Amino acid sequence: QSVLTQPPSASGTPGQRVTISCSGSSSNIGNNYVYWYQQLPGTAPKLLISKNNQRPSGVPARFSGSKSGTSASLAISGLRSEDEADYYCAAWDDSLRGRGVFGGGTKLTVL
Amino acid sequence: EVQLVESGGDLVQPGGSLRLSCAASGFTFSTYDIHWVRQATGKGLEWVSAIGTAGDTYYQGSVKGRFTISRENAKNSVHLQMDSLRAEDTAVYFCAKGAVGAGALSLVDSWGQGTLVTVSS
Repeated sequence: QSVLTQPPSASGTPGQRVTISCSGSSSNIGNNYVYWYQQLPGTAPKLLISKNNQRPSGVPARFSGSKSGTSASLAISGLRSEDEADYYCAAWDDSLRGRGVFGGGTKLTVL
Repeated sequence: EVQLVESGGDLVQPGGSLRLSCAASGFTFSTYDIHWVRQATGKGLEWVSAIGTAGDTYYQGSVKGRFTISRENAKNSVHLQMDSLRAEDTAVYFCAKGAVGAGALSLVDSWGQGTLVTVSS
């Protein structure tokens, strides 16, 4: 059971807007930055959103992140077929002397 | 450009040991925390361990007491010594760079390509 909770799947049609939620607690999301990663099959994860809502250079503006209290979300607008991938949220957790925690991942299908 | 290259993955018997290494370049190594994250086939990402800039270490519960992380700033490298390996440790192990640095622990912004560890008799 993952410390951060994500829906296992999400879907949308090309051009649509999709959001993926990530729920945590005061020791992780509530007190630390949230990060979002995209993972295509057979490849290493890639950073999509850093420090709650910052897009690294090269990440399209279609991707955006937000955080409120102990929850965060990733929004993808203008959905494209190449967005079909696994998405993970993550944060540092201050409990148990400190540890990293991930969500279980959300498989995004572009219909 | 940040580069992280893992090595040392192999097939090992249950109860055996393995040492993974991560060679880093493209950033001021000594000022960033470095993490290990693993992924079993068909499963999600699982954080394993991290080492801070002051050599402070952090572990996930299931590896505490069995895995030891260390860093060599002079060689821009991090190591993960894995002892008493179990079948459930089988995974691709990724080395990753902390996103914030300067002594503050956070999750990561750059990843290596991973190295495969298989624990089986």
